[in-house]
Amino acid sequence: EDKVVQSPLSLVVHEGDTVTLNCSYEVTNFRSLLWYKQEKKAPTFLFMLTSSGIEKKSGRLSSILDKKELFSILNITATQTGDSAVYLCAVAPPGTASKLTFGTGTRLQVTL
Amino acid sequence: DGGITQSPKYLFRKEGQNVTLSCEQNLNHDAMYWYRQDPGQGLRLIYYSQIVNDFQKGDIAEGYSVSREKKESFPLTVTSAQKNPTAFYLCASAGRAFSYEQYFGPGTRLTVT
Repeated sequence: EDKVVQSPLSLVVHEGDTVTLNCSYEVTNFRSLLWYKQEKKAPTFLFMLTSSGIEKKSGRLSSILDKKELFSILNITATQTGDSAVYLCAVAPPGTASKLTFGTGTRLQVTL
Repeated sequence: DGGITQSPKYLFRKEGQNVTLSCEQNLNHDAMYWYRQDPGQGLRLIYYSQIVNDFQKGDIAEGYSVSREKKESFPLTVTSAQKNPTAFYLCASAGRAFSYEQYFGPGTRLTVT
């Protein structure tokens, strides 16, 4: 059975801190790993990672994939209260518009 | 504006009643998905459809049914056979060939008492 595990389950930090969220996976077939941010309802896409060691960056967020050790990290620097959300990691097998296997998410709360 | 809409936002039903959740997209996406989200369990795939008039069961299809008669619509029926239907339901779509990025609707929170 495919498995995606995220840690920590929840995290509280002060504004300005840097956080690292972890996602490890055990799947039969791997094509890509995706990160989503879910603030209240609809998850919104952050990154898709397919190759090991290539960092993807968007503003204060960055992510990298290690296909040998089967994990990814999502870094957020200089956190802001607007970063408070549940961050979801998902793994996709090969194929067109494939099924995603999601982790349980990490709930991040950024306080003033 | 292109996007995915789900209705209603909140739905209350009595046990034993079937209920249908709406999902519509105007993104011209081929693939559509239904997920269920429970606290502490992440998103679990109920059904998905990669093309009109075709759909497949996901990981937790028991007690649910879907149809895909039109490209833009993928309604989900929660039947009375679903033992624990109270949950947050999310619909998603994916577009281009070999696209893994899914676009999500705002969700429907279903409460069955």
